[in-house]
Amino acid sequence: EPEVTQTPSHQVTQMGQEVILRCVPISNHLYFYWYRQILGQKVEFLVSFYNNEISEKSEIFDDQFSVERPDGSNFTLKIRSTKLEDSAMYFCASSHRTLSSYNSPLHFGNGTRLTVT
Amino acid sequence: AQTVTQSQPEMSVQEAETVTLSCTYDTSESDYYLFWYKQPPSRQMILVIRQEAYKQQNATENRFSVNFQKAAKSFSLKISDSQLGDAAMYFCAYRSASVPGGGADGLTFGKGTHLIIQP
Repeated sequence: EPEVTQTPSHQVTQMGQEVILRCVPISNHLYFYWYRQILGQKVEFLVSFYNNEISEKSEIFDDQFSVERPDGSNFTLKIRSTKLEDSAMYFCASSHRTLSSYNSPLHFGNGTRLTVT
Repeated sequence: AQTVTQSQPEMSVQEAETVTLSCTYDTSESDYYLFWYKQPPSRQMILVIRQEAYKQQNATENRFSVNFQKAAKSFSLKISDSQLGDAAMYFCAYRSASVPGGGADGLTFGKGTHLIIQP
């Protein structure tokens, strides 16, 4: 079964540095998402992406964050000037959702654990 | 804004027994979707079951079934014949059915319930 893949599985960075988290969504999917899970807390929606632009974003997704689909396969989340509180699991997800199938499930990757020191 | 509440931080069940995980949500929308996701120690988020709000019939997937009470805004997950592989965090999630850009596009998750299976 096709999978969403994320790299790296664990990223350690120093406060103030920039990180790029990478994701390869399932190939025929149209919608892409990033979610965040701070240790011990619930999973939080960050942003959705469709047709090469942001579809929706939460209040968490401020100017520190950006997303990009640089080619036909990768979907990246860039975090500029990382802060200690950015330490979390970051999940990429994709969906084949269309206007006629809103309940298409999200397929999640295994996540990237980001540690900011 | 929608909220999802899972009031049980942890549940424990004997192998082969049945367990029910509770979930309530708050929304002003009439059309939406509800999901249960499983997160095993491997960290991957796996879809367990989904329910369309406009359907009165409760969804079932093998050993997993839901009790969807729309008026009460309740969406509990029942796991029958619990197996060791069911041990995981279980997240209840809500998703608006509004058109893209017109509402919350992503899932809203509860805080999760840690399910322990006793052998």
